[in-house]
Amino acid sequence: KNQVEQSPQSLIILEGKNCTLQCNYTVSPFSNLRWYKQDTGRGPVSLTIMTFSENTKSNGRYTATLDADTKQSSLHITASQLSDSASYICVVSKASGGSYIPTFGRGTSLIVHP
Amino acid sequence: DADVTQTPRNRITKTGKRIMLECSQTKGHDRMYWYRQDPGLGLRLIYYSFDVKDINKGEISDGYSVSRQAQAKFSLSLESAIPNQTALYFCATSDRGTSNTGELFFGEGSRLTVL
Repeated sequence: KNQVEQSPQSLIILEGKNCTLQCNYTVSPFSNLRWYKQDTGRGPVSLTIMTFSENTKSNGRYTATLDADTKQSSLHITASQLSDSASYICVVSKASGGSYIPTFGRGTSLIVHP
Repeated sequence: DADVTQTPRNRITKTGKRIMLECSQTKGHDRMYWYRQDPGLGLRLIYYSFDVKDINKGEISDGYSVSRQAQAKFSLSLESAIPNQTALYFCATSDRGTSNTGELFFGEGSRLTVL
């Protein structure tokens, strides 16, 4: 069964600190991996996308890595801010008949304290 | 204005009532989706539609139905609501174009409580 597992389930850090969120997947055949940020009470918004040939991609203070061999991804947040408090969802897609079939992880809830 | 608009944003109803959640989009995307989000379970696909004449069941379609009234409109119905359908519902769209990488664009969500 295609699965996406995220860890930790929740994380509390102090403002200004760095943190790393993990995503392991078994989705096959792999097409791409996205990290979404979901603010409380809002819909998820894409932060980064990575394809098979990419192993690092940055979006401001967010840096995603991908190891397609071990089927692992991480999202590193540098110098955290209060606005980083959100749920971060890893989504792995496989291509099928011209469409992308996403499998969602359950998310990591990040709380940044002042 | 939001590109993907859901109405209502919040709804409280009673068991057995019929409920419709509506979604409209201005992104010009062909594909529309309804997801359900429960605490600790992540997003689960209820139904999806790749164009006006195309409707497909997702992983948890039982108890739900949908209607794609136009390219820009996709509604979700609960014919007889039950308490375990209490959840946050999201509509999403995606593009079929050559640049498509499967990115989903979500609405703001509709919180449904069934008493």
